[in-house]
Amino acid sequence: QVQLQESGPGLVKPSETLSLMCTVSGGSISSFYWSWIRQPPGKGLEWIGYIYYSGSTNYNPSLKSRVTISVDTSKNQFSLKLSSVTAADTAIYYCARGGGSYYVLYYFDYWGQGTLVTVSS
Amino acid sequence: QSVLTQPPSVSAAPGQKVTISCSGSSSNIGNNYVSWYQQLPGTAPKLLIYDNNKRPSGIPDRFSGSKSGTSATLGITGLQTGDEADYYCGTWDSSLSAHFVFGTGTKVTVL
Repeated sequence: QVQLQESGPGLVKPSETLSLMCTVSGGSISSFYWSWIRQPPGKGLEWIGYIYYSGSTNYNPSLKSRVTISVDTSKNQFSLKLSSVTAADTAIYYCARGGGSYYVLYYFDYWGQGTLVTVSS
Repeated sequence: QSVLTQPPSVSAAPGQKVTISCSGSSSNIGNNYVSWYQQLPGTAPKLLIYDNNKRPSGIPDRFSGSKSGTSATLGITGLQTGDEADYYCGTWDSSLSAHFVFGTGTKVTVL
């Protein structure tokens, strides 16, 4: 059974960089589209971006200038960096495994439990 | 602001049926697969339907999905109290800056 676990600081100061890691167990990170998705408290889901195991990435255009997603296949981990954060970036951040083809995402079949990141001084 | 529109809420009594609509456009639903997610309170979303109408292993056949043109629908029959949750549709948007989009979300209440 594939499992994903997010880790990282729960509090980030405004203007700093949010950094999170997702560790994948129970399966290889090779193949599939590994995504980050966030959900502000009481609001809906927002896709942040994905990285294919080969290293190809695709980001939400609304966040593209501030987002970097990277992968370490040797450790079965992928990570998220979001720069210049503000209070609007406060959210539960989920990592998820995406299925798709030719760099088009079709669905997310495995999700981490999520981690709340608060942006505050 | 999401490009996929869902009704904010739907409700029905136990045992009844509800349907949730997801309205998009030709750049998203019209030309890509739709998936549906259930989010129980305080938990991560769970995949219910993928590729418009397929159910992952373990998802009961009370849940069904369909797509027609630029809209998709999730149906839940034999409604149970455990179905009370938020439901989201999602699909790829093939516009100039291609990316994945989620619907606005629908709260299902079991009366």
